[in-house]
Amino acid sequence: DAGVIQSPRHEVTEMGQEVTLRCKPISGHNSLFWYRQTMMRGLELLIYFNNNVPIDDSGMPEDRFSAKMPNASFSTLKIQPSEPRDSAVYFCASRQVSSGNTIYFGEGSWLTVV
Amino acid sequence: GQSLEQPSEVTAVEGAIVQINCTYQTSGFYGLSWYQQHDGGAPTFLSYNGLDGLEETGRFSSFLSRSDSYGYLLLQELQMKDSASYFCAATGTASKLTFGTGTRLQVTL
Repeated sequence: DAGVIQSPRHEVTEMGQEVTLRCKPISGHNSLFWYRQTMMRGLELLIYFNNNVPIDDSGMPEDRFSAKMPNASFSTLKIQPSEPRDSAVYFCASRQVSSGNTIYFGEGSWLTVV
Repeated sequence: GQSLEQPSEVTAVEGAIVQINCTYQTSGFYGLSWYQQHDGGAPTFLSYNGLDGLEETGRFSSFLSRSDSYGYLLLQELQMKDSASYFCAATGTASKLTFGTGTRLQVTL
């Protein structure tokens, strides 16, 4: 199995630019999570989907952040406009709910906004 | 909401035993998981407790007490490769998974 695939792995962008992070969950998994990790705030849950439907987006920092899951094999997290404080590692993770409680993380997208 | 607290750092000697504690406050709780993360890597699953008691997986064990809103991860026969960050995570309503603050474990010779 290929695991959770995220792109890009690394991105450096200028403040004010739009950033789009992409995630392909493990085939057959029906839950998808977006997390953000920083030294100061640790691993924060931004949003998660069950069966492509957003269940809880209370962790999304503000309206500049949006996430979509148009189908079971693809999700995007978009930041528009980006700000330096958005610099972090963004992880996507997926799970097959009926198979237990393990979630599988992608390798992360390392975002730097300058 | 949910909040999970862990010690920020723990140091132990190779071959020793170390315990990493986690206390939680949740509005809905179904179980506690533990994840390991090496520097520059992604978190990986170690164990899950859905019921009170001890779960053992090789050198790692995890414990849960729902009445005390408390759990711990026990690492035995520590190896240098165990140096990493360890996170507890609570499964809540609608399968929401919230992570703790993380504990950085340093294993020394």
